[in-house]
Amino acid sequence: QVQLVQSGAEVKKPGSSVKVSCKASGGTFSSYAISWVRQAPGQGLEWMGRIIPILGIANYAQKFQGRVTITADKSTSTAYMELSSLRSEDTAVYYCATVSGSGSYAGWFDPWGQGTLVTVSS
Amino acid sequence: IQLTQSPSSLSASVGDRVTITCRASQGISSYLAWYQQKPGKAPKLLIYAASTLQSGVPSRFSGSGSGTDFTLTISSLQPEDFATYYCQQLNSYPPWTFGQGTKVEIK
Repeated sequence: QVQLVQSGAEVKKPGSSVKVSCKASGGTFSSYAISWVRQAPGQGLEWMGRIIPILGIANYAQKFQGRVTITADKSTSTAYMELSSLRSEDTAVYYCATVSGSGSYAGWFDPWGQGTLVTVSS
Repeated sequence: IQLTQSPSSLSASVGDRVTITCRASQGISSYLAWYQQKPGKAPKLLIYAASTLQSGVPSRFSGSGSGTDFTLTISSLQPEDFATYYCQQLNSYPPWTFGQGTKVEIK
C-alpha cells in the first residue's frame, strides 16, 4: 500500500520560491504518476500538475505554467513541487496524490499526502 | 470540463438520506470520482468510475449517473459523515477538474 509523506510547513516572502517534497513508500514509485493539488483557505481543490516518474514527463495546469516545476527522484521515491514568484494568493495547503487505476477507468487520486501549508507573507 | 455541484451546502440530521449532485459541462461517460474531506485533513477517495465504492468505504455511500449528471447518496447520515464532498472528472486529463464542493453540516 502506497503512503505519501510530505515536507513540513513553510513561511515565505512574496517573490520567493518554495519547494515541497512528497516521499512515497510501498509500491513501485516509477509505476504511477503523482499529482499536486492545492487548497487555499476555505476554498476548493485546484489541480496544479502531475509527473510520471518513469518517463520524467510533467504536465501543468495552464494557470501555473511558467511558475511551477514538478520533478521526481526515482532513487529516493520522492516527488517535488516548486512554485516560484510567490504572492499572497499562493497561501494554501499543497497536497500530493497518487494517480490510481489502470485500463479504461483510471485517474482518481488515492492515496493523498497529509498536506503542506505554505504561507506567503511579508 | 467544468463541474458544478449542488447544493453548495446543506444541513441534515443523523439518519437522514442525503443526495449531492454533480453536473459536467460535457458528457464524461462514467469517468467521475467522489471525495470526502474533513477539516484539516486530506481528501479521501469514496467512489470512482461513478459508482464503484473504494475499498473500506461504508456501504451507506453510493454513486450513480453517467454522461453529464451524477449523484452521491448517503443513505443514512452518520456523525462522522459531516464533511465537504467533491466530485472530480476523470474523462479527459490532464487537466483534472473538481467540483466546487458541498459542505454537509449538522442540522
